[in-house]
Amino acid sequence: NAGVTQTPKFQVLKTGQSMTLQCAQDMNHEYMSWYRQDPGMGLRLIHYSVGAGITDQGEVPNGYNVSRSTTEDFPLRLLSAAPSQTSVYFCASSRSRVRWDTIYFGEGSWLTVV
Amino acid sequence: QQPVQSPQAVILREGEDAVINCSSSKALYSVHWYRQKHGEAPVFLMILLKGGEQKGHEKISASFNEKKQQSSLYLTASQLSYSGTYFCGTEIWDNDMRFGAGTRLTVKP
Repeated sequence: NAGVTQTPKFQVLKTGQSMTLQCAQDMNHEYMSWYRQDPGMGLRLIHYSVGAGITDQGEVPNGYNVSRSTTEDFPLRLLSAAPSQTSVYFCASSRSRVRWDTIYFGEGSWLTVV
Repeated sequence: QQPVQSPQAVILREGEDAVINCSSSKALYSVHWYRQKHGEAPVFLMILLKGGEQKGHEKISASFNEKKQQSSLYLTASQLSYSGTYFCGTEIWDNDMRFGAGTRLTVKP
């Protein structure tokens, strides 16, 4: 009963490096999303997907790429890390449209860019 | 376009009540409430749909005023386990869920 699984849990990057945060869910959910959480800012939506092959931008998409080749996986790519991307990242999924269904969050990935 | 939550923080003694408010400038399809403990993922509390429904679970309930684009979360007879940060989420566009900045609730013995 894994739910939403994120890896890695902790990561330190140097400015300019790239990396991918992995996210997988085993609930056959159509909707998946990525949020970043910064002190005093709450959760801000980066990108989301309503199904395999379909992605869209959220509130703060710059500097991030996503793809959804399968229902289960939704990786988040940082193209060229910047200190402003230091944050806690949460992957989330929902069975269908979020207006009706619970959003399940992963345990978070703590990213530090130096 | 994030919903606005108030208050930003509240401190209670066990047994006291609290109200957390969430308001939006956009028409809302639904409002979600989540609670997050320090260092953990947010956890679902409830969803409220259009129609002003009031939902509840034990001593935590919520209302949704569609006309005012507002929702309120009511915590009665608070327990130590209620401590955490409470977030409301609102869908401003199809599947585009935005969360408020959160309300930090501390319950003391």
